[in-house]
Amino acid sequence: GGIITQTPKFLIGQEGQKLTLKCQQNFNHDTMYWYRQDSGKGLRLIYYSITENDLQKGDLSEGYDASREKKSSFSLTVTSAQKNEMAVFLCASRTGDTQYFGPGTRLLVL
Amino acid sequence: QQQVRQSPQSLTVWEGETAILNCSYEDSTFDYFPWYHQFPGESPALLIAIRPVSNKKEDGRFTIFFNKREKKFSLHIADSQPGDSATYFCAASPPGNTGKLIFGLGTTLQVQP
Repeated sequence: GGIITQTPKFLIGQEGQKLTLKCQQNFNHDTMYWYRQDSGKGLRLIYYSITENDLQKGDLSEGYDASREKKSSFSLTVTSAQKNEMAVFLCASRTGDTQYFGPGTRLLVL
Repeated sequence: QQQVRQSPQSLTVWEGETAILNCSYEDSTFDYFPWYHQFPGESPALLIAIRPVSNKKEDGRFTIFFNKREKKFSLHIADSQPGDSATYFCAASPPGNTGKLIFGLGTTLQVQP
């Protein structure tokens, strides 16, 4: 078996701040994803990566950057945090048709 | 524009009843349709999935019914248990090897004992 870890678990930021979320997986999966989950809005795809050094924009990419420098890790940067923003950011990796999700990073912007 | 629509937003059933969760999609090229469930405080996990070559997929108490012509699919949970209480997300995947999923907004299921 494998595991996906996300750091940090909780992130409190200030308006306008640049914030970086990290994701690591030891499944040796090629494809990784970043989703944002807001209450009542399901999961929305921000960025995904088919393989190391590949980046593809999802439907919600504006305001975010991503980096996939190693197969095992996928980072997401909030380029300018919005005041009162509150969401859970979920990282996932894929084998076959199945996506496996990490535990999430909970973001709160003051 | 919501490409994958779910209904109802919330559903309460009694233990032992069949819960029916519905999903519809816009794009007829979508070729993979999973259901994920998410328990409070946990991350989503794959429950069951179907491809359009079939119109039904069963896994224990969970069954997907798929109607390609109407672009609809549903999840039936037979003999519902309180432990089934969770949020259920349907999703659809466009063709290709990206594995990209477009999720619905979710149905929160409560099973009353």
